[in-house]
Amino acid sequence: EIVLTQSPDTVSLSPGERATLSCRASQSVDRYYLAWYQQKPGQAPRLLIYSASSRANGVPDRFSGSGSGTEFIFTISRLEPEDFAVYYCQQYSSSPLWTFGQGTRVEIK
Amino acid sequence: QVQLQESGPGQVKPSETLSLTCTISGGSIRSSYWTWIRQSPGKGLEWIGYVHYTGSTNYNPSLKSRVTISLDTSKIQFSLRMTSVTAADTAVYYCARGDSFGYYYFDSWGQGTLVTVSS
Repeated sequence: EIVLTQSPDTVSLSPGERATLSCRASQSVDRYYLAWYQQKPGQAPRLLIYSASSRANGVPDRFSGSGSGTEFIFTISRLEPEDFAVYYCQQYSSSPLWTFGQGTRVEIK
Repeated sequence: QVQLQESGPGQVKPSETLSLTCTISGGSIRSSYWTWIRQSPGKGLEWIGYVHYTGSTNYNPSLKSRVTISLDTSKIQFSLRMTSVTAADTAVYYCARGDSFGYYYFDSWGQGTLVTVSS
């Protein structure tokens, strides 16, 4: 099983600041199979990034992703008030086919 | 974009069977992995399994012995059945659409339904 470890667990930032989140995999992940989601309280996760760096439909360009192998980065260039949420990385590979990171909470400083 | 809606009991007794249904609307049932994912405070997001529109299934090995996912194309629904539940199965259960064109992301989710295992 590929374990995804996200860091930090929580980051405190102000609107307008840059957020940089990390997702480290226990084994190499094909970058085509690495995605990022946003989850707000009481809501389902929302797909933001797929294939490590491609934005999903309707996702603002302040959200971006990069990385390969075992290290992936998710960036919010300038935080908007609606961006304070929990972010998850997800990978697809061998059994179990899909696993998720434990999440990073982006909170208002 | 397809819309998904979960339905089913919010409470199940220990050792009994959890049954949930996901109704699909606004899109084709073809070419997707129809998936169940759950979220609990203790284990985060956990992939349970999928049924492909062809009828093939695949389950998380940790749950495989207790889980069945099936597709009803006439009703445009898919279902989750989990036997012998315990308190550890208390979670919010989501149905989701998995991409089958090579990227394997989940781009449509239901709103989630909380299932509590308690007597």
